Amino acid sequence: KQEVTQIPAALSVPEGENLVLNCSFTDSAIYNLQWFRQDPGKGLTSLLLIQSSQREQTSGRLNASLDKSSGRSTLYIAASQPGDSATYLCAVANDYKLSFGAGTTVTVRA
Amino acid sequence: GAGVSQSPSNKVTEKGKDVELRCDPISGHTALYWYRQSLGQGLEFLIYFQGNSAPDKSGLPSDRFSAERTGGSVSTLTIQRTQQEDSAVYLCASSLGGQPNTEAFFGQGTRLTVV
Repeated sequence: KQEVTQIPAALSVPEGENLVLNCSFTDSAIYNLQWFRQDPGKGLTSLLLIQSSQREQTSGRLNASLDKSSGRSTLYIAASQPGDSATYLCAVANDYKLSFGAGTTVTVRA
Repeated sequence: GAGVSQSPSNKVTEKGKDVELRCDPISGHTALYWYRQSLGQGLEFLIYFQGNSAPDKSGLPSDRFSAERTGGSVSTLTIQRTQQEDSAVYLCASSLGGQPNTEAFFGQGTRLTVV
């Protein structure tokens, strides 16, 4: 059974600092890995999708890397802003189902 | 529509009542998923529909839970004889196809509270 772990569980940084969020998974036979953002009381917003054959994906200030063989992904958010405050979830697909980590709750202080 | 639409956004029900939660996926998406997010827990897979294939119901927690998808589009998740432990946010997602390399898009969820 796939186990997904996200470290740290919570993170607080001053505005302008870069954020580094970690995700690890136990079964490396994945098809893709997806990063989501969840605001309080809201649904999930897809941020980045990395296919298993890719090493990284970038979108604006966001960059996600994938090391499938070691079962790890890292989400980098450059020059953080208070609007980046949210919970970030990592999910991996071994088949059509997604297995989620518990998330990292980020607070960016103005 | 532009995104996955779920209704109602909030539902408060009395213990023992039945509830129906609705999901309208993105137009053209053949795959539809239901997940549950309980307080302090991660997202839990419930059920998966792909086109006209038989659904994968392996995540449904009990026989009080059922789901259907009519015409390959709108889906309804039904919980019979609700219990307090059913209180959670129920999230629906859709993707372009059944291939596991397609991006999943989620709705805003239905927050169910059983009192």
